[in-house]
Amino acid sequence: NAGVTQTPKFQVLKTGQSMTLQCAQDMNHEYMSWYRQDPGMGLRLIHYSVGAGITDQGEVPNGYNVSRSTTEDFPLRLLSAAPSQTSVYFCASSYSRGVNTIYFGEGSWLTVV
Amino acid sequence: DAKTTQPPSMDCAEGRAANLPCNHSTISGNEYVYWYRQIHSQGPQYIIHGLKNNETNEMASLIITEDRKSSTLILPHATLRDTAVYYCIALLYNFNKFYFGSGTKLNVKP
Repeated sequence: NAGVTQTPKFQVLKTGQSMTLQCAQDMNHEYMSWYRQDPGMGLRLIHYSVGAGITDQGEVPNGYNVSRSTTEDFPLRLLSAAPSQTSVYFCASSYSRGVNTIYFGEGSWLTVV
Repeated sequence: DAKTTQPPSMDCAEGRAANLPCNHSTISGNEYVYWYRQIHSQGPQYIIHGLKNNETNEMASLIITEDRKSSTLILPHATLRDTAVYYCIALLYNFNKFYFGSGTKLNVKP
């Protein structure tokens, strides 16, 4: 199993550009989420989804869009990149029933100049 | 979700037990305590979780006080590879909306 796969691993964007961070999982997990981590800080929840067609906001949703058309994929879209969105982004997934372990991807490093 | 409080950093000698405390004084009766760790800038890794009773697995032990207001993660024989940031999270059962604090940076020294 590949687990949780994120692409790209590194990306540099210019202010105002848009892009999509991809996240895929092959564990048939219902729950998927996106976090961002700024230097020296803990992870902050951006958006999450409890199943295909269902998404909701986390702590820091502004400037990001998500959709969940399949169980496997949960892309994160930056609409108009800003330097404040320079961060490391982590995608995570888990089963949605019972006491669960969340599995994280390896992260996507994004720099906005 | 209950707020958790952890010391920002701790040191531990290699081969000794590392005891990482966590305060969760506002935890409710149906909130679990989870521990994750993050090595360098990798994705966080699950360690252990518990509700009331002490728990042990191949990685660590979790001791939860009887009033559930605090807990301690124990790494019985710390190695240099255990150097990481350790996060304590209180979370409702069946609700995976995790909120991470700043965690404890554990430095394991030779």
